[in-house]
Amino acid sequence: DARVTQTPRHKVTEMGQEVTMRCQPILGHNTVFWYRQTMMQGLELLAYFRNRAPLDDSGMPKDRFSAEMPDATLATLKIQPSEPRDSAVYFCASGTLKGTGRYNEQFFGPGTRLTVL
Amino acid sequence: DQQVKQNSPSLSVQEGRISILNCDYTNSMFDYFLWYKKYPAEGPTFLISISSIKDKNEDGRFTVFLNKSAKHLSLHIVPSQPGDSAVYFCAASANDYKLSFGAGTTVTVRA
Repeated sequence: DARVTQTPRHKVTEMGQEVTMRCQPILGHNTVFWYRQTMMQGLELLAYFRNRAPLDDSGMPKDRFSAEMPDATLATLKIQPSEPRDSAVYFCASGTLKGTGRYNEQFFGPGTRLTVL
Repeated sequence: DQQVKQNSPSLSVQEGRISILNCDYTNSMFDYFLWYKKYPAEGPTFLISISSIKDKNEDGRFTVFLNKSAKHLSLHIVPSQPGDSAVYFCAASANDYKLSFGAGTTVTVRA
């Protein structure tokens, strides 16, 4: 049963601390997405990678957020320094480009619930 | 700037009745629309989609209707079941990899 995994599932930290969230995409998927879910905005796209290369990170606050794919089985999202307004659920999703040039669906992980005090 | 809007944050419906979820969009370049379903403590899962060349797509109890002139789509669930209680997200794309999501509608199906 292939699925996207994310660690940690929950993270509580203090303002100013570094936070690293990890994602293992489904084997064979060539695109990885990072989303943030908040009550007001719903699901916001932060960044996405195709074949490990960053294609778009325009949704991400550049001064404190960074996203990388060290290899095809691992994507990371880092916040340094973290702030209370970063408190949200962060989802990773993976997909495969179809012949139509788009994704029919994206497969989401269970999310990391981040609380910054 | 929210390009996909779900103006009803919640919906309560009796088991066996129809659930109708609404979604509006502002970007006329959107040509593919999807609905995702999310249970607590889980990630969203794909439910149904529709291309802009169609105005209706049906999959079992789920039907999505698209009205391009009104920039409006809706999801109908008939009949509603207790397992349908979840958050439903509307999403749209403009011929690229990116999905723009709405804020979600929480559906509660009453027994």
